[in-house]
Amino acid sequence: SQQGEEDPQALSIQEGENATMNCSYKTSINNLQWYRQNSGRGLVHLILIRSNEREKHSGRLRVTLDTSKKSSSLLITASRAADTASYFCAPRRGAQKLVFGQGTRLTINP
Amino acid sequence: GAGVSQSPSNKVTEKGKDVELRCDPISGHTALYWYRQSLGQGLEFLIYFQGNSAPDKSGLPSDRFSAERTGGSVSTLTIQRTQQEDSAVYLCASSPSGGSFSGTEAFFGQGTRLTVV
Repeated sequence: SQQGEEDPQALSIQEGENATMNCSYKTSINNLQWYRQNSGRGLVHLILIRSNEREKHSGRLRVTLDTSKKSSSLLITASRAADTASYFCAPRRGAQKLVFGQGTRLTINP
Repeated sequence: GAGVSQSPSNKVTEKGKDVELRCDPISGHTALYWYRQSLGQGLEFLIYFQGNSAPDKSGLPSDRFSAERTGGSVSTLTIQRTQQEDSAVYLCASSPSGGSFSGTEAFFGQGTRLTVV
């Protein structure tokens, strides 16, 4: 199994701006998942992108995947105060266990 | 149930006591995970159950930690002789399947906040 490395560790932006966070990993994957965590409790799944996909959208979220660079990015457009949270990526291959990195702590300022 | 349920939500225990944390996964989910998260840190993997396979215990930090999953459903994480450094939020997650090309999403409980005094 492998864990993703999120970058930056912390990000602070103004409400309404776009937020971009990145994830790098080391070995080949079947898919990569992004999760959000509010207030140090359970994570919530945001989006899954498969290895044969390059981009995926869900509402204000846009995820890209570059398997040649072993990296993914999560873009949140028109950020809101409610987007303040920690964001984690989880690269996955087959039935390997799901592991997480340190995450990106996003703060949206009013 | 509707989601992953963990109990208790909060637990305060004295150093040296044993504690049991419970996780009720979503019915039918074959994969179950336990993680630990200290304040301001990322998720530390503890243990992974997948169907009838032997659990992956590679993340358990010491032999004071153990976990079991009975009947492929409910799981209990036991910490013996608790230490102050065990204080953390313990998160459980379940997933529908762990087959070769699945990798479907994991559903998390709200965690148990353990405080060892």
